[in-house]
Amino acid sequence: EVQLLESGGGLVQPGGSLRLSCAASGFTFSSYAMSWVRQAPGKGLEWVSAISGSGGSTYYADSVKGRFTISRDNSKNTLYLQMNSLRAEDTAVYYCAKEKLVGATLVGSAFDIWGQGTMVTVSS
Amino acid sequence: DIQMTQSPSSLSASVGDRVTITCQASQDISNYLNWYQQKPGKAPKLLIYDASNLETGVPSRFSGSGSGTDFTFTISSLQPEDIATYYCQQYDNLPFTFGGGTKVEIK
Repeated sequence: EVQLLESGGGLVQPGGSLRLSCAASGFTFSSYAMSWVRQAPGKGLEWVSAISGSGGSTYYADSVKGRFTISRDNSKNTLYLQMNSLRAEDTAVYYCAKEKLVGATLVGSAFDIWGQGTMVTVSS
Repeated sequence: DIQMTQSPSSLSASVGDRVTITCQASQDISNYLNWYQQKPGKAPKLLIYDASNLETGVPSRFSGSGSGTDFTFTISSLQPEDIATYYCQQYDNLPFTFGGGTKVEIK
């Protein structure tokens, strides 16, 4: 079964750091681009960051550029999001999502598999 | 960034009704448009990809159409289990962007 399982969320003070993980199973992880998508409480979906299957290309929303870093360890089938200098407006459920199209260097298609989400709360 | 304008923001319909949601892109995105369903407390689920392709396992009452800047999502006969919020999403250009969502309720 294709599955994504996020972890690492929690309560952090403004200015703090947190690292999210997303463990993948049931598919050839290195062949697919992955993204992080977040959803603030009661709000819509916001794409945060993407990484190619090979890990050679990364992309960020302007709202997190310079503060967040996406990475992946294909030997461990795991996606990461290092979040630094956290702000109250980063409070959200963070989902990892797998892209539908296969291709180690490709980024951009539908998100066909989503994790269950992990909650990040930035508050003093 | 490409803005995705989704309408209506909410709707109420009866079981068996035909439901239509529209999504307009701020520039031509060809057919690089997807539709997702999100139920409360759950992750989004892909329903339609590339504007009109039904994802495997998704009931045929869901459909999508359009290209360029104007897109339509249709539920041909609304069922109680379709109560959810629906989002469009473009992937023609980074950053990927979502519409604001349409909350569908039963009348």
